[in-house]
Formats: sequence, C-alpha cells, structure tokens
Amino acid sequence: EIVLTQSPGTLSLSPGERATLSCKASQSVSSSLLAWYQQKPGQAPRLLIFGASSRATGIPDRFSGSGSGTDFTLTISRLDPEDSAVYYCQQCCTSPPWTFGQGTKVEIK
Amino acid sequence: QVQLQQWGAGLLKPSETLSLTCAVYGGSFSGNYWSWLRQPPGRGLEWIGEINQSGSIKYSPSLKSRVTISVDTSNNQFSLRLTSVTAADTAVYYCARNRDFFDLWGRGTLVTVSS
Repeated sequence: EIVLTQSPGTLSLSPGERATLSCKASQSVSSSLLAWYQQKPGQAPRLLIFGASSRATGIPDRFSGSGSGTDFTLTISRLDPEDSAVYYCQQCCTSPPWTFGQGTKVEIK
Repeated sequence: QVQLQQWGAGLLKPSETLSLTCAVYGGSFSGNYWSWLRQPPGRGLEWIGEINQSGSIKYSPSLKSRVTISVDTSNNQFSLRLTSVTAADTAVYYCARNRDFFDLWGRGTLVTVSS
C-alpha cells in the first residue's frame, strides 16, 4: 500500500499570502496518477488538480500543482478567505488500494 | 451535466449489513470506473472499492472480506454492501466517478452504526 504523508497538519495564513502544501509518498507515484482535492465542512471533496499539475474545470489559476516521484506540492498563490478548507492528496491506480493523505487544514486569519 | 444521486439506510445496528445505491444521471455510465469511498467523522478519506460497466471490480484489501460492489447497467446504478458492520464503520459514504482521479462525487450518506 502506498502511504501518502501530508505536511503541515495545519497552515494558518493571511489573505493574499502564499500557501505551500506537501505530499510525500512511501514509494514512487506516477505523476499522471496524483490528484489534489479541497473539502469544506459538510461537503464532498472537490477535485482541484489531476495528473499532479493539471487544474480541473473551473479551478482558479491561483491553485497549482507540481512534483514527481515521491514528492508533490500544492501551491495556492494568493489566499482568498474562501480557500479555508482541508486539502487532500490522493494516488491511484496501479495496485489497490487507492490512498489519500491525512489532509492539511488551511485556516485564513 | 452528469450527477450522482445516492441513497440507503442511515442507521444500522452492529452485525447488520450496510446497503447503499448510487445512480448516474445525465451522462455516460460506460467507460468509467465507479467507486465507493467513506470518511469517518472528523477523519480522512478511505477508498472502499470500484466497479465498471463490465463488472470488473477492485476492492480495498482491508475491507475485501466484507464488501460487495455490484452494477445495474440497465438503470445506470451501482451498489455497495458491507456486512457485519461495527461502530468503526460509522462514516459518511460517498459514491464517485474514477477517471484516475475522482472528478464527480455524490453528496454523501451518513451511516451510523449504534446499538
């Protein structure tokens, strides 16, 4: 099983600041199979990034993804109050199970 | 616009069987894998398993012994059964479309296991 470890656990930043979220895999993950999601309380997760760096439909360009191998990053370039949420990385589809990181909570001061 | 609508019992007693169904509206059912995932209260996401139109199935090894996922292609639906539930199975259960990433999600069903 591929374990994804996200850091930090919580990120507290002001509007307009830059947020950098890390996702480290226990073994190499194909870049095409690494995704990021945003989840707000009481809602289903929303796909932000797929293929490590491609934005999903309707996602603002302040969200960007990068990385390869075992190290991946989600960057929010200019935080907006609506970005307050938990962010998850996720890998798929070589050998089950498909796994998620434990999440990074982004708080806007 | 493709939508997923899910339903099923929300309150179970220990040892009972969880049963949920997800219907796909407004788009193609074929050519995709359809997944079930869950999220215990205040915790992270766990993938349970998935199925495609042809009935090809993948399960999470940790739940494989208790899980059955099935498909009803005539109604564009897929279903989840989880046997012998315990309090540890209390969670919001989601259905989702898997295209190597989960791009479409149901609204979630809270299933509580309590005596």
